[in-house]
Amino acid sequence: AQKITQTQPGMFVQEKEAVTLDCTYDTSDQSYGLFWYKQPSSGEMIFLIYQGSYDEQNATEGRYSLNFQKARKSANLVISASQLGDSAMYFCAMREAGGGADGLTFGKGTHLIIQP
Amino acid sequence: DAGVIQSPRHEVTEMGQEVTLRCKPISGHDYLFWYRQTMMRGLELLIYFNNNVPIDDSGMPEDRFSAKMPNASFSTLKIQPSEPRDSAVYFCASNLADRNTIYFGEGSWLTVV
Repeated sequence: AQKITQTQPGMFVQEKEAVTLDCTYDTSDQSYGLFWYKQPSSGEMIFLIYQGSYDEQNATEGRYSLNFQKARKSANLVISASQLGDSAMYFCAMREAGGGADGLTFGKGTHLIIQP
Repeated sequence: DAGVIQSPRHEVTEMGQEVTLRCKPISGHDYLFWYRQTMMRGLELLIYFNNNVPIDDSGMPEDRFSAKMPNASFSTLKIQPSEPRDSAVYFCASNLADRNTIYFGEGSWLTVV
């Protein structure tokens, strides 16, 4: 079974609209972390936002927020006021062991295209 | 601050040749990861080190792949002999154990012909 599922292979969104990228995860651990990365066409992996399983508040970083619904095992990324530069691949990832003791497991990604 | 530094950025090599990819993690980071990205398989963890010690190499595809971390500031991923199916982007990443961010290098784009 996949540990990270991203159900949207591609999305087209109008500039300035808000975007929600879906991510569901599967784990039996109580302590885990959820990450979102952006990969533009140039190829680098850019860290966007992190949510810990024990964090009660949804994480926010500028225009990015993470809609964390623990019971549903959902960690959707919300981008407010989308910009043309947001066009990229977006990956959801999970780390199941606390303290950096394990690597990240990635989803297949969502290709986001922002249209003017 | 310097990020994770990888070299070479691009390499084209012939099947059967040895390939060595290099990584310098962020100074002070105690975890180092090697990932491979392909269209078919996405991003896969190959191996990771903690304090220069390999912890989990279960993702290394076969014996042709080896990784070393002789000191805290340097790691290599070696493929010998290389095959066309090894063509991929190889990422190195690092983090501190008490920080919840894993930083990636820009990747090494490998093409084996």
